[in-house]
Amino acid sequence: AQKITQTQPGMFVQEKEAVTLDCTYDTSDPSYGLFWYKQPSSGEMIFLIYQGSYDQQNATEGRYSLNFQKARKSANLVISASQLGDSAMYFCAMRGPDLIQGAQKLVFGQGTRLTINP
Amino acid sequence: SAVISQKPSRDICQRGTSLTIQCQVDSQVTMMFWYRQQPGQSLTLIATANQGSEATYESGFVIDKFPISRPNLTFSTLTVSNMSPEDSSIYLCSVYAGGSETQYFGPGTRLLVL
Repeated sequence: AQKITQTQPGMFVQEKEAVTLDCTYDTSDPSYGLFWYKQPSSGEMIFLIYQGSYDQQNATEGRYSLNFQKARKSANLVISASQLGDSAMYFCAMRGPDLIQGAQKLVFGQGTRLTINP
Repeated sequence: SAVISQKPSRDICQRGTSLTIQCQVDSQVTMMFWYRQQPGQSLTLIATANQGSEATYESGFVIDKFPISRPNLTFSTLTVSNMSPEDSSIYLCSVYAGGSETQYFGPGTRLLVL
């Protein structure tokens, strides 16, 4: 079974600093995808970044990058130059292989509440 | 990217009643998923809705309580039946086109059951 662990319930960071949100995962499948989502107080789930298990390079999307350490089974999100608008819940999630029936669902971690202080 | 809309965006309902939530996507997608997020919790998958077949429910969720329809490749509904206060949650639909590196969510439906 797939499992995602986010060990930081909350983080407080000064504006303009970089922040790393931790995520570890567990799976026996060699093929999988890792996702990060942002959930502001409005409740919507905003897709941030994706990393495939066979991707050789770490994924980047603007100020977001994913520090993928496959051997350690970790997929930490790094936000550079944090902004007040980054304050939100952040969820790490995993999806299984496309070809396995039922594996396409997302399994979520418990989330980290990030607060950016001015 | 897929644009997903949900109706209603929020509702307040009385216990014992039912509410049907609609999810509309602007493109054809293979899979649609319904998630529940209880207050202060993470997201939990209710069921997977594939067009032309019965929905597949996760452990702890049953069709009588959460009937789902998927009449075509762009639309699905989730009904929350015989509601109780424990059903107060955000309900989100999500779509996956297959072979995609992304998986998108609708804006969610905030349900409060009194």
